[in-house]
Amino acid sequence: DAGVIQSPRHEVTEMGQEVTLRCKPISGHNSLFWYRQTMMRGLELLIYFNNNVPIDDSGMPEDRFSAKMPNASFSTLKIQPSEPRDSAVYFCASSLDGGHQPQHFGDGTRLSIL
Amino acid sequence: DQQVKQNSPSLSVQEGRISILNCDYTNSMFDYFLWYKKYPAEGPTFLISISSIKDKNEDGRFTVFLNKSAKHLSLHIVPSQPGDSAVYFCAASGSGNTPLVFGKGTRLSVIA
Repeated sequence: DAGVIQSPRHEVTEMGQEVTLRCKPISGHNSLFWYRQTMMRGLELLIYFNNNVPIDDSGMPEDRFSAKMPNASFSTLKIQPSEPRDSAVYFCASSLDGGHQPQHFGDGTRLSIL
Repeated sequence: DQQVKQNSPSLSVQEGRISILNCDYTNSMFDYFLWYKKYPAEGPTFLISISSIKDKNEDGRFTVFLNKSAKHLSLHIVPSQPGDSAVYFCAASGSGNTPLVFGKGTRLSVIA
């Protein structure tokens, strides 16, 4: 079975450019999570969706960050305009709903903003 | 303020011995706890979990212990193998399908 698929795996771009990260959750999972990992702060939740609806976006650092989930099999995280401090590894995870279920992670996108 | 703390950034253990990774939490509303393993350039992989109604859960070489009164959990790996070398994250959540709160991880090195 395919796991959570993220693209691109690596992104290097210049400050001020728009960056779009993509995620395909595991088929049948109805919760999707975006995390950011940095050395200083570890793994932080940015936003999560349940049944394609954003439930909690309090972790989104600024208005430059936005996330969408147009359907059950696709989500994007967009940064516009990007800044060097946005450099990090961004993970997407998905899980089944209904009580406690483990989240399954993609392999992440390593983002470098120059 | 960190709600989930892994106070040891790193741990070295000899192959064949027991590895014990520790985790403390502050939020008494947490009732589900998980351990994830992460290799470089990969995402975290779910390893084992425990609900607050239990104090122990075992899966092969991996056992998680939960001490609710001390707000402490630990992961025991026995016997440790070189392939267990990775970063281990402790995570916790409250009731329902609420997001996980992660510790900062402990890097385990198993030496042959």
